[in-house]
Amino acid sequence: ETGVTQTPRHLVMGMTNKKSLKCEQHLGHNAMYWYKQSAKKPLELMFVYSLEERVENNSVPSRFSPECPNSSHLFLHLHTLQPEDSALYLCASSHDRGRAEQYFGPGTRLTVT
Amino acid sequence: DQQVKQNSPSLSVQEGRISILNCDYTNSMFDYFLWYKKYPAEGPTFLISISSIKDKNEDGRFTVFLNKSAKHLSLHIVPSQPGDSAVYFCAASAINAGGTSYGKLTFGQGTILTVHP
Repeated sequence: ETGVTQTPRHLVMGMTNKKSLKCEQHLGHNAMYWYKQSAKKPLELMFVYSLEERVENNSVPSRFSPECPNSSHLFLHLHTLQPEDSALYLCASSHDRGRAEQYFGPGTRLTVT
Repeated sequence: DQQVKQNSPSLSVQEGRISILNCDYTNSMFDYFLWYKKYPAEGPTFLISISSIKDKNEDGRFTVFLNKSAKHLSLHIVPSQPGDSAVYFCAASAINAGGTSYGKLTFGQGTILTVHP
């Protein structure tokens, strides 16, 4: 299943670096999401985009900056992260916000040193 | 406060037998429930869902049961196969709630299922 792709799959970055995570969906969906999964914790919703408009920022620190240039692409820009930000970052998409079924990418395993 | 809970971190089952994965929720606004399966190094894969207007939904070997009064749902897999070994996540949504809850999925912590040959 390659409906939702994410790059890179693994990323190691220092606390002063700036990097970006990329997500692309090939499903024709109108809503896209960023989730964070830390060790032994449930998936936490970070951001929701609907028709390229951010509709929710779930109390995420400003060192995480999302961007949705079109309905197929979603970015998460990272800067001055902390070691506790190390986690699996998952992108998902759904037909629209009213459809609960979300389809996930494989995730980016991020390590902040 | 965790609104969706999967109290069993792991479950071990023999091939061919039934696997029962449980999930409890606290938010009475939730009206749509989903199960996802996750293999290592992959994202969660949607398995099956159920609306709060139903108490059962079946898809092949997978059946989800919903008990609204108990705020409990379960996923039955029968017969279990070694390829079913994965982490299973329960998720809930308040589709009809509107506002900031609209379209938001709340996940449980997951249950690791191991099916032995």
